[in-house]
Amino acid sequence: QKEVEQNSGPLSVPEGAIASLNCTYSDRGSQSFFWYRQYSGKSPELIMFIYSNGDKEDGRFTAQLNKASQYVSLLIRDSQPSDSATYLCAVVRHDPQGGSEKLVFGKGTKLTVNP
Amino acid sequence: KAGVTQTPRYLIKTRGQQVTLSCSPISGHRSVSWYQQTPGQGLQFLFEYFSETQRNKGNFPGRFSGRQFSNSRSEMNVSTLELGDSALYLCASSPSPTGGNQPQHFGDGTRLSIL
Repeated sequence: QKEVEQNSGPLSVPEGAIASLNCTYSDRGSQSFFWYRQYSGKSPELIMFIYSNGDKEDGRFTAQLNKASQYVSLLIRDSQPSDSATYLCAVVRHDPQGGSEKLVFGKGTKLTVNP
Repeated sequence: KAGVTQTPRYLIKTRGQQVTLSCSPISGHRSVSWYQQTPGQGLQFLFEYFSETQRNKGNFPGRFSGRQFSNSRSEMNVSTLELGDSALYLCASSPSPTGGNQPQHFGDGTRLSIL
């Protein structure tokens, strides 16, 4: 099982719709979860982070975390063409080999918002 | 506040050469992490430095090395370059080590091409 899994997409939604991006992780002990947005040819940009079970809202973005199901999601309301990008889910997990934590990324979901 | 600065932005090398990449973190950030991003493998963790000490290392050969200076600036070195080392190398900084509930912020990256 991969450490962090995301649907690669592409996910296509019409402008104004809700885009739902999903991520599952394998380490039940993970406590910190992040969503990054990466435009083509650019570096990842932090959008949201969530540490507790439940929902966390920031503007049009809502992160949802369910530790029992090892599942974290990102909802984008009123999607805009400018939201078209690859969304990366990242999870902090303990690395038994290295002896400390590391941030592990999924391969990302490509989102296209159609005008 | 200035962001994470990576130099150079682009680099072209030939097989067998070595390369050094530089990263200046956000002011006040003492943790620097390095990642390799390729289309096939996504973002993969190389290593993390905090207070001049390597905290963790990813599954990369010994040709990949790094260090951090007392001002928190970090360098990454790759020796005996191979074609497969062509990638976007990203540096991310954070106030605290990974696991400390502080998100990482990325620089623009160095795109390395091996001929």
